[in-house]
Amino acid sequence: EPEVTQTPSHQVTQMGQEVILRCVPISNHLYFYWYRQILGQKVEFLVSFYNNEISEKSEIFDDQFSVERPDGSNFTLKIRSTKLEDSAMYFCASRNTRIMNTEAFFGQGTRLTVV
Amino acid sequence: KNEVEQSPQNLTAQEGEFITINCSYSVGISALHWLQQHPGGGIVSLFMLSSGKKKHGRLIATINIQEKHSSLHITASHPRDSAVYICAVTMDSNYQLIWGAGTKLIIKP
Repeated sequence: EPEVTQTPSHQVTQMGQEVILRCVPISNHLYFYWYRQILGQKVEFLVSFYNNEISEKSEIFDDQFSVERPDGSNFTLKIRSTKLEDSAMYFCASRNTRIMNTEAFFGQGTRLTVV
Repeated sequence: KNEVEQSPQNLTAQEGEFITINCSYSVGISALHWLQQHPGGGIVSLFMLSSGKKKHGRLIATINIQEKHSSLHITASHPRDSAVYICAVTMDSNYQLIWGAGTKLIIKP
C-alpha cells in the first residue's frame, strides 16, 4: 500500500539552528501539506503546496518557514532559525487531487525538539 | 468558538464495550474525516465521509449533514484500539482541514 514517508522521525536541534524536515509523498499525488501539533494541542495547518508553489498558508507559516519540492519526489519544510516554540510534531500529507472528497494520506510525523 | 467540537475528551472503557465518539461542526464542509493518532504520534486516516455511513471492520462512521454531526463507533473494543481519535473537516470554501481536539480512548483488558 502506498504511503507517505517522513524523515527523520525525531530531530533535536539547538535554538537558532536551521532544520529541514523531509517528506516523500505518494508518487502520483499532486497536493502536499504540512501540519504541526504542539504537545497536548490540536493539529494545526501550516501550508499547502501545488504545482511548485504555495497554495495557502496559515498565520503560523511566517518568514522563518519555507517549503520546496527540490527533485520531484521530496517535499521539504525548512525552519530557518528555530525557536523553542517550534518544538512540535510535524506531519506531511498528500492527496492526488484538490477535489474535496478525496482522502489525504499522512506521514508518521517528525518530532522536532528545540533545546 | 471552535469550529469542530469532539466529545468526550477522554474515554476509558473495558474490553468488549461498544464505543461512541461524537463530532459536531459549525462550518460548511465538503467532507469529514476520522483519524487515529497512535501513542507515538503517527496519524492514520480511518474514514472520509460526505454522507451516510461507512464501515471498516469493527469501526463504523456516520454523518448527519443537516445536523452537522458525526459519530465514530467501535464495536467489541480491544486494548489495541487505545489511541486518540480525531475528527477533522474539509471546509467547502478553501479545502483546508479543520481539526478537532481529539478524544483520548483507553480500552482496559
